[in-house]
Amino acid sequence: QKEVEQNSGPLSVPEGAIASLNCTYSDRGSQSFFWYRQYSGKSPELIMFIYSNGDKEDGRFTAQLNKASQYVSLLIRDSQPSDSATYLCAVKGFNKFYFGSGTKLNVKP
Amino acid sequence: GAVVSQHPSWVICKSGTSVKIECRSLDFQATTMFWYRQFPKQSLMLMATSNEGSKATYEQGVEKDKFLINHASLTLSTLTVTSAHPEDSSFYICSALQGGNTEAFFGQGTRLTVV
Repeated sequence: QKEVEQNSGPLSVPEGAIASLNCTYSDRGSQSFFWYRQYSGKSPELIMFIYSNGDKEDGRFTAQLNKASQYVSLLIRDSQPSDSATYLCAVKGFNKFYFGSGTKLNVKP
Repeated sequence: GAVVSQHPSWVICKSGTSVKIECRSLDFQATTMFWYRQFPKQSLMLMATSNEGSKATYEQGVEKDKFLINHASLTLSTLTVTSAHPEDSSFYICSALQGGNTEAFFGQGTRLTVV
């Protein structure tokens, strides 16, 4: 069983819409949860992290965590074409980061 | 955020040779560094975790004698791909974790092509 699972997509949304990206994880002992954005051929860049149940907002991005369901999501409001990328969910356990396979997001003008 | 510098950004080498990739934390001390490999259209695969001054911990299926990791200082970790073969061609990425912090910062990645 994979540590972190994501739908590979692609997820297509029109410009200005809300994009919803989901992730589940298997290790209940996981401490922190991260969303990274990766453009083709580039290294991942951190969008935000969350470690408490509930929502965390940063600009157009909102991360949601439900530890009971082992589920973390990322909402992108007012999606822009520049948001088109692969979004990686990462989970930190004991001093290790595990990544999901990523969800490819296409924002259509 | 903190800066992690990875060098070289790309390298082409002949089959059978060795290649060294450096990962430096420029403005913080990295107690832990992670090495990942990413094949096209796939996710990052954790290869190993290295802590300064101790031996690296390799993930299952990663050959420690082929992928030599050295973390001799709090700002530098190196990955050496020994006796490289074409199937080792990939995007190698390091990330560094500052002690006590939650998030890890990524280097720019190294694209290795073995011909």
